[in-house]
Amino acid sequence: DTAVSQTPKYLVTQMGNDKSIKCEQNLGHDTMYWYKQDSKKFLKIMFSYNNKELIINETVPNRFSPKSPDKAHLNLHINSLELGDSAVYFCASSPMPGELFFGEGSRLTVL
Amino acid sequence: GESVGLHLPTLSVQEGDNSIINCAYSNSASDYFIWYKQESGKGPQFIIDIRSNMDKRQGQRVTVLLNKTVKHLSLQIAATQPGDSAVYFCAEETGGFKTIFGAGTRLFVKA
Repeated sequence: DTAVSQTPKYLVTQMGNDKSIKCEQNLGHDTMYWYKQDSKKFLKIMFSYNNKELIINETVPNRFSPKSPDKAHLNLHINSLELGDSAVYFCASSPMPGELFFGEGSRLTVL
Repeated sequence: GESVGLHLPTLSVQEGDNSIINCAYSNSASDYFIWYKQESGKGPQFIIDIRSNMDKRQGQRVTVLLNKTVKHLSLQIAATQPGDSAVYFCAEETGGFKTIFGAGTRLFVKA
């Protein structure tokens, strides 16, 4: 009964490819996020959706396109992958500002 | 610009000792602060929070202190245990569901 689940957990791909990461939460929260964690563990907010509407877009390249088909799902599609996209991507959901419930992360490696 | 925390430092403590992890923030308008714990291979997990109208809050073995005058947060862990080994992040809710994370501190607990 995982609260926030992401798939896939690991993703290895070549530069230039397109890939997607899926996220689902069963907590009933209205707000969901994508964060990127680099090799130095720095966590940077990318996007936030509230009840399927985009509320935060942190100057992320437009190769990254989030999609929220319903408030329990927030997927991340990345086009034309670059080496610098290698990172761990975390999905999170939130019942209130600041209190985030994170998934286990999806480690993306671009070769 | 907004920034929370310091470059990733490492803290090494003996099992049973108390640990103190520090964090500086720069947005004086923020009124909600949170500490997260990230174990290896997992997503960050909420530990304890504090609002700006308080200067101290206690949980089970953890205490958060807030000094608004110098914009400083600390997390105190009593009787540190091997299971406390992790990366700890302070985070700041800056409004509109935007939660900014500091750079993190890695805590090593020596048996």
